[in-house]
Amino acid sequence: QKEVEQNSGPLSVPEGAIASLNCTYSDRGSQSFFWYRQYSGKSPELIMSIYSNGDKEDGRFTAQLNKASQYVSLLIRDSQPSDSATYLCAVRGAQKLVFGQGTRLTINP
Amino acid sequence: ETGVTQTPRHLVMGMTNKKSLKCEQHLGHNAMYWYKQSAKKPLELMFVYSLEERVENNSVPSRFSPECPNSSHLFLHLHTLQPEDSALYLCASSQDRASNYGYTFGSGTRLTVV
Repeated sequence: QKEVEQNSGPLSVPEGAIASLNCTYSDRGSQSFFWYRQYSGKSPELIMSIYSNGDKEDGRFTAQLNKASQYVSLLIRDSQPSDSATYLCAVRGAQKLVFGQGTRLTINP
Repeated sequence: ETGVTQTPRHLVMGMTNKKSLKCEQHLGHNAMYWYKQSAKKPLELMFVYSLEERVENNSVPSRFSPECPNSSHLFLHLHTLQPEDSALYLCASSQDRASNYGYTFGSGTRLTVV
């Protein structure tokens, strides 16, 4: 089992809809969780971090964490074409971040 | 300057060349990382430095040689690379290895081996 798993996509969402990205992890002791956005040919950019169960909202982005079920998700409301990118889930393991393979998201105008 | 800076942005090198990638962070962080990202593959952690000491080497071939002269600078020396080494090489830093905060990435070096 991979340490951090994401559906590689591509995930296609119409403009204005809600995009939902999911991530599961295997280390039950993980305490910190992150979402990075990576545009094609660019470096990953940290967009959300979450540390406790529940929802955390920042503008159009909402991160959701459920430690009992070992999943973390990212919702993007009112999706825009500029949200088209690969989204990487990262989970704090022992002494390092572990990244998922990323989900490629395409927002269709 | 702020953040994590990588140079060069693009590099084309022959298989017999020797080149170096440079990373500099202005965040006061104590841990630095080299990642490799190939097309349609996840990020691969190559090396981890903490307080200038290499603490992790993930079975990386010896043709890649890292150097960390101080906590702000990290180099990746390249020698006799193969075409399959063509990739985006990313440097990242964090407050320390145990930090609960995420990593900050540089803009990357796009390497092409011909």
